[in-house]
Amino acid sequence: QKEVEQDPGPLSVPEGAIVSLNCTYSNSAFQYFMWYRQYSRKGPELLMYTYSSGNKEDGRFTAQVDKSSKYISLFIRDSQPSDSATYLCAMSANDYKLSFGAGTTVTVRA
Amino acid sequence: GAVVSQHPSWVICKSGTSVKIECRSLDFQATTMFWYRQFPKQSLMLMATSNEGSKATYEQGVEKDKFLINHASLTLSTLTVTSAHPEDSSFYICSARREKGQGGTDTQYFGPGTRLTVL
Repeated sequence: QKEVEQDPGPLSVPEGAIVSLNCTYSNSAFQYFMWYRQYSRKGPELLMYTYSSGNKEDGRFTAQVDKSSKYISLFIRDSQPSDSATYLCAMSANDYKLSFGAGTTVTVRA
Repeated sequence: GAVVSQHPSWVICKSGTSVKIECRSLDFQATTMFWYRQFPKQSLMLMATSNEGSKATYEQGVEKDKFLINHASLTLSTLTVTSAHPEDSSFYICSARREKGQGGTDTQYFGPGTRLTVL
């Protein structure tokens, strides 16, 4: 069993739809949870960072962490074609070493 | 803020040669940098943790003599792929940890990646 599970998709939605992404994990030591966006042949770009459980909102993006269920989510509202990318969840314990999910490829259709 | 650069962005080399990749944090100091490799349509796999002024820590299965890491300053880490072979062809990505006290979130910021092709 992988330490971090993420559905690789692909996920295709029409413009304006809500994109829902999620990851599950098995390591209860994880405390820091991140979502990165990666365009093809580019490095990952940090979108959201959450410490411990809770919700965080930044513009069209909302991140949720439920440590009791070992489940994290990312929601993208009013999706745009420019949101088409691969979204990676990542998490770490106090050692700051990141464990990544497989990444979900998202396509937003105009 | 939190910009990380990598150089070169792509490199093609002959089998048996060595290739050096640079990772720089441009607007913050990073005592810790990380090196990852990524195969097509796969996620990032951590290769090693680079600590300024000390030896790198390698993940299980990564050959330290093949992937030499030097973290000579608080803004620069280098990865040298020695005696490269076609199976070393991959996308290499570095990240730098921006710690609390330098503004913003204590987390990793990634470089744009280096695509290595070994012929």
